[in-house]
Amino acid sequence: DAGVTQSPTHLIKTRGQQVTLRCSPKSGHDTVSWYQQALGQGPQFIFQYYEEEERQRGNFPDRFSGHQFPNYSSELNVNALLLGDSALYLCASRRGLAGPNTGELFFGEGSRLTVL
Amino acid sequence: AQRVTQPEKLLSVFKGAPVELKCNYSYSGSPELFWYVQYSRQRLQLLLRHISRESIKGFTADLNKGETSFHLKKPFAQEEDSAMYYCALSGNTGKLIFGQGTTLQVKP
Repeated sequence: DAGVTQSPTHLIKTRGQQVTLRCSPKSGHDTVSWYQQALGQGPQFIFQYYEEEERQRGNFPDRFSGHQFPNYSSELNVNALLLGDSALYLCASRRGLAGPNTGELFFGEGSRLTVL
Repeated sequence: AQRVTQPEKLLSVFKGAPVELKCNYSYSGSPELFWYVQYSRQRLQLLLRHISRESIKGFTADLNKGETSFHLKKPFAQEEDSAMYYCALSGNTGKLIFGQGTTLQVKP
């Protein structure tokens, strides 16, 4: 089991461009969450997907959008990139939406986005 | 407001010394508390959760609802404990609120 996999691992964009990040959850997991981790900070929750629907959203603007596919994989899209969007974007997965141990997440290694 | 505070960015101890990583939280309700760890060049992973009341790699953490704290402790630090530690809070929805993290440096 490869665990949570993310692509690409690194990318560089310029202001105003759009980016798509991809995530495959751990085998057997159907719930995917995305987090943004700025340098020197803890991860911040962006949103969570389950059954192909956005179930929860953190305090991020509409420029951040996502999608979940029938095979549970997910994409994070960011439009009109700003310098402040430079960060490590982490994908995390778990089985089910609610129930015990809801905070036990399995994380990918992240996609490091640099906006110039 | 829901918040997790880790007051120390860096904690440096010698091998064999006791370790206490501090975590305070703010949450209206019954939160679940977790410690996540990130070793060098590895992904973020769960270390322990308060509901399990378990000891993992010699680490324990007790939830103190009166002081709204969830400090991580280990009686004798090892060099392999050097890592970034994050305290996190969940309100039974799977959304995790993380603290800013504490780097633990264990010197030989």
